Amino acid sequence: QQQVKQSPQSLIVQKGGISIINCAYENTAFDYFPWYQQFPGKGPALLIAIRPDVSEKKEGRFTISFNKSAKQFSLHIMDSQPGDSATYFCAARSGGSNYKLTFGKGTLLTVNP
Amino acid sequence: NAGVMQNPRHLVRRRGQEARLRCSPMKGHSHVYWYRQLPEEGLKFMVYLQKENIIDESGMPKERFSAEFPKEGPSILRIQQVVRGDSAAYFCASSPESGTRDYGYTFGSGTRLTVV
Repeated sequence: QQQVKQSPQSLIVQKGGISIINCAYENTAFDYFPWYQQFPGKGPALLIAIRPDVSEKKEGRFTISFNKSAKQFSLHIMDSQPGDSATYFCAARSGGSNYKLTFGKGTLLTVNP
Repeated sequence: NAGVMQNPRHLVRRRGQEARLRCSPMKGHSHVYWYRQLPEEGLKFMVYLQKENIIDESGMPKERFSAEFPKEGPSILRIQQVVRGDSAAYFCASSPESGTRDYGYTFGSGTRLTVV
């Protein structure tokens, strides 16, 4: 049972374009939704995170949009750069466990120069 | 601050051998979490440990896998009698207190296990 569904599996964007990655969840007990960025050979690094009482959070070029009623959230990367090329994972944490994250399967983003 | 240190970075084992993966948490962190990443999959929670205690091992296979975090030294994830399906990247994370809080927890660079 996949509790966090992520799409697309891969994404190619031109430099300067907008990258959009979507995630949907089923468990209404999730209370924290982070996005992680992973470069080849490295561990995942926290990029940005949001709580369900907020509909949008922006940090620099990265924005999370959150739709609680639809149980969906998305990552928008504005002015995408070749250095943003990486795998992005959405995740969710259950309110009943303050430490266990459930991850999506990841999106491989390629930003062409 | 050296971050979360995992070693070895790459490990090759023949079927039936034992694999030992080590994780040294960030300085001052006493909570350790292990995740496994299969090819083209997201990370999956395996186990959560505090010093000398296993708090939650609900994600760990019941056979062949064990984990420890002794009072002194790194946390160890041990896989006995490895099989090809154990080939994956194993990531360790640490935090200064229980849980991810709002800043998440810090992952190491992982150990990539290949079973041949």
